[in-house]
Amino acid sequence: NAGVTQTPKFQVLKTGQSMTLQCAQDMNHEYMSWYRQDPGMGLRLIHYSVGAGITDQGEVPNGYNVSRSTTEDFPLRLLSAAPSQTSVYFCASRRTSGTQYFGPGTRLLVL
Amino acid sequence: GENVGLHLPTLSVQEGDNSIINCAYSNSASDYFIWYKQESGKGPQFIIDIRSNMDKRQGQRVTVLLNKTVKHLSLQIAATQPGDSAVYFCAESTGANSKLTFGKGITLSVRP
Repeated sequence: NAGVTQTPKFQVLKTGQSMTLQCAQDMNHEYMSWYRQDPGMGLRLIHYSVGAGITDQGEVPNGYNVSRSTTEDFPLRLLSAAPSQTSVYFCASRRTSGTQYFGPGTRLLVL
Repeated sequence: GENVGLHLPTLSVQEGDNSIINCAYSNSASDYFIWYKQESGKGPQFIIDIRSNMDKRQGQRVTVLLNKTVKHLSLQIAATQPGDSAVYFCAESTGANSKLTFGKGITLSVRP
């Protein structure tokens, strides 16, 4: 199994640009999540999904959209990037009552 | 509000010594706790977890202790090695379907 994969690894955007961060898992996990990690702030939950077709907001959802059309994929969309969205983004997945596994992260810089 | 926090931002230990990383939580309804290790430039990596019906759980060189009375969680690393240098996060959740709430993290630095 590849586990949780994320693309791209690095991205530089200009303010106002849009992009999609990709996340995929091959473990047939029901639960998937997106976090952002900023210095001194730990991991903060952006959006999560408990299964295909179901998504919900986390702690810091503003400026981000998600969808879950398949069990495997959980893309995170930035419709109009802002400098405040400069961060490291982690995707994670788990079975409903299992251990949560993280992807390697996407480092995003918004100028 | 409910939060999960760590007592110290950094911990420096001598190679070969035992390390103890502490974590306080405030949600008395939390029933699942987990420790993650994050090396520079990588995603968090699962270390060990514990459910609230247990007080102690051991893994390879690591032990997690849970004191529900004072809402305290600790991670003990035996014979700390340079490869243990990383940021450690505790996290908690309430129920199997619940979201994980993370602490801010503590940096463990191992002196040779």
